[in-house]
Amino acid sequence: QQPVQSPQAVILREGEDAVINCSSSKALYSVHWYRQKHGEAPVFLMILLKGGEQKGHEKISASFNEKKQQSSLYLTASQLSYSGTYFCGTDLQSGNTPLVFGKGTRLSVIA
Amino acid sequence: NAGVTQTPKFRILKIGQSMTLQCTQDMNHNYMYWYRQDPGMGLKLIYYSVGAGITDKGEVPNGYNVSRSTTEDFPLRLELAAPSQTSVYFCATGTDLNEQFFGPGTRLTVL
Repeated sequence: QQPVQSPQAVILREGEDAVINCSSSKALYSVHWYRQKHGEAPVFLMILLKGGEQKGHEKISASFNEKKQQSSLYLTASQLSYSGTYFCGTDLQSGNTPLVFGKGTRLSVIA
Repeated sequence: NAGVTQTPKFRILKIGQSMTLQCTQDMNHNYMYWYRQDPGMGLKLIYYSVGAGITDKGEVPNGYNVSRSTTEDFPLRLELAAPSQTSVYFCATGTDLNEQFFGPGTRLTVL
């Protein structure tokens, strides 16, 4: 029941846009996005809840398609600081059950 | 506020040795988690706790034990260390919305 992320890796030039996808084989209650820079701990970016509520980062947006059981993270006008590995975590039900994380998408932004 | 602190930052163990990874939080969160992260494999949940005195197994609990006697502390015990336990270990706390805050990690090598 681990979510599948795509692409596995992407290289961007500064200012370019990227989309990272997260798909589940099961119906989702919420999707969570984290970013991890090399050698550091993951940092929370965003939560998307069933029903459309979002909470998160001001410069990064995301969508949650409950019917398709997938979420997409949109990184626009990328900056060097966006580099890192992005993980989605999925929650199948409310009540704070543990998240299941995908394997991650490695994003490299170059000048 | 320190957030989530972990000790030690690095450790080398010999096969068969035991050790305790310490995790302390000052965020007053009921939920706490232990993950391991192997290269390219994302985050795997070892154990978690929904409050003092309550713990439960995650996806990869074998070879580990936990206790939660206080809200603040959630130590992870490794008994009879094996090379397969070489990994980076992250402790995290969680809010009711499952927003998680990670400690800086412990890099463990078993030789």
